[in-house]
Amino acid sequence: NAGVTQTPKFQVLKTGQSMTLQCAQDMNHNSMYWYRQDPGMGLRLIYYSASEGTTDKGEVPNGYNVSRLNKREFSLRLESAAPSQTSVYFCASRRGQETQYFGPGTRLLVL
Amino acid sequence: TQLLEQSPQFLSIQEGENLTVYCNSSSVFSSLQWYRQEPGEGPVLLVTVVTGGEVKKLKRLTFQFGDARKDSSLHITAAQPGDTGLYLCAADLNAGNMLTFGGGTRLMVKP
Repeated sequence: NAGVTQTPKFQVLKTGQSMTLQCAQDMNHNSMYWYRQDPGMGLRLIYYSASEGTTDKGEVPNGYNVSRLNKREFSLRLESAAPSQTSVYFCASRRGQETQYFGPGTRLLVL
Repeated sequence: TQLLEQSPQFLSIQEGENLTVYCNSSSVFSSLQWYRQEPGEGPVLLVTVVTGGEVKKLKRLTFQFGDARKDSSLHITAAQPGDTGLYLCAADLNAGNMLTFGGGTRLMVKP
């Protein structure tokens, strides 16, 4: 039981490049989330998916797109990366209002 | 302005000292969670409080939920270097699928 896994762990992009962050969970959770974490800002919700086939915007969705590929996988895409998107990205999953489990994070640097 | 305000932002203390971290909001929470995050990892849930006035203890950690369900505190007794980390509070504001996080308190306990 791996919990929540994320790939890649680290990534360096140039401004304007695109990339997709992958997330998978093996706990059969309905809800999945993408957050970004910046110093002093805690975690801010980018997008979430309450169930397979649905996605909704969070607090800071601009510049991102998501895909809930199936119940296990929820990907985050940056179409044209900007330096302001330099951050640590966390994926999480949850069943109802129970414990939210986080992945280990993806550290992204946009030059 | 963040919906959940945590204070202090930073705390550096000596081993054996006591400390209290606060999480405040003008909104009423249906429940509140405390997480601890170590460098390079995702946050890990410590406790969930759901009832106004509730007090929960986890070894040397005591969590309190305010009577009006707008604030919470985390008290650590006899802090140890292993308590070092980022402490985050998070709230279910409307019993929905989304958690809102505070900015975090970064704690360092020196031996």
